[in-house]
Amino acid sequence: DSGVTQTPKHLITATGQRVTLRCSPRSGDLSVYWYQQSLDQGLQFLIQYYNGEERAKGNILERFSAQQFPDLHSELNLSSLELGDSALYFCASSAPWQNYGYTFGSGTRLTVV
Amino acid sequence: AQTVTQSQPEMSVQEAETVTLSCTYDTSENNYYLFWYKQPPSRQMILVIRQEAYKQQNATENRFSVNFQKAAKSFSLKISDSQLGDTAMYFCAFIKLYTGANSKLTFGKGITLSVRP
Repeated sequence: DSGVTQTPKHLITATGQRVTLRCSPRSGDLSVYWYQQSLDQGLQFLIQYYNGEERAKGNILERFSAQQFPDLHSELNLSSLELGDSALYFCASSAPWQNYGYTFGSGTRLTVV
Repeated sequence: AQTVTQSQPEMSVQEAETVTLSCTYDTSENNYYLFWYKQPPSRQMILVIRQEAYKQQNATENRFSVNFQKAAKSFSLKISDSQLGDTAMYFCAFIKLYTGANSKLTFGKGITLSVRP
């Protein structure tokens, strides 16, 4: 157990639907990062939150949004889902000023049918 | 912007042999860290080894070691005495330092390593 918890582990949904992926960071970590891993694109950075505030945005679609709550857990919302959104979505957390290594969750496998 | 390149998509090695995975990166930064992550079939991302750019000495973690060539912007991973459990996808990653809370890992596309019994 890495200490970063992601739920659900698997999600199957239809095109056009909306889903929410949840992440609880490792205790003490203030930063949460979301990554998308698809077969042809590798690991793509989506967005970062630090202590409730958005800090960096990567290749995140407008149909996707995220937030980090006061208890530091984060949610990634994916809407108007398309077949191409099928991927493994990772959450990672880190503690700044320390070792700069991320701790990853086990991911959520999203399948859009 | 930083880029990380892993040009070998797949490699194979016999159990107990040594294998080297290549990675190059491009940056104008002077202060950064480099990482190798392992992703076994379970899909969990596992940190293998970390190298601070300001350190000349190559990092070592048990059977894993790196060859860090800062001027050449090269960062290869050597796995000695390969084991079946080393079968995984390996990702090279880069992060700038001193960006405060805005640090972001940039990954290469990964290389699939198969260890043959």
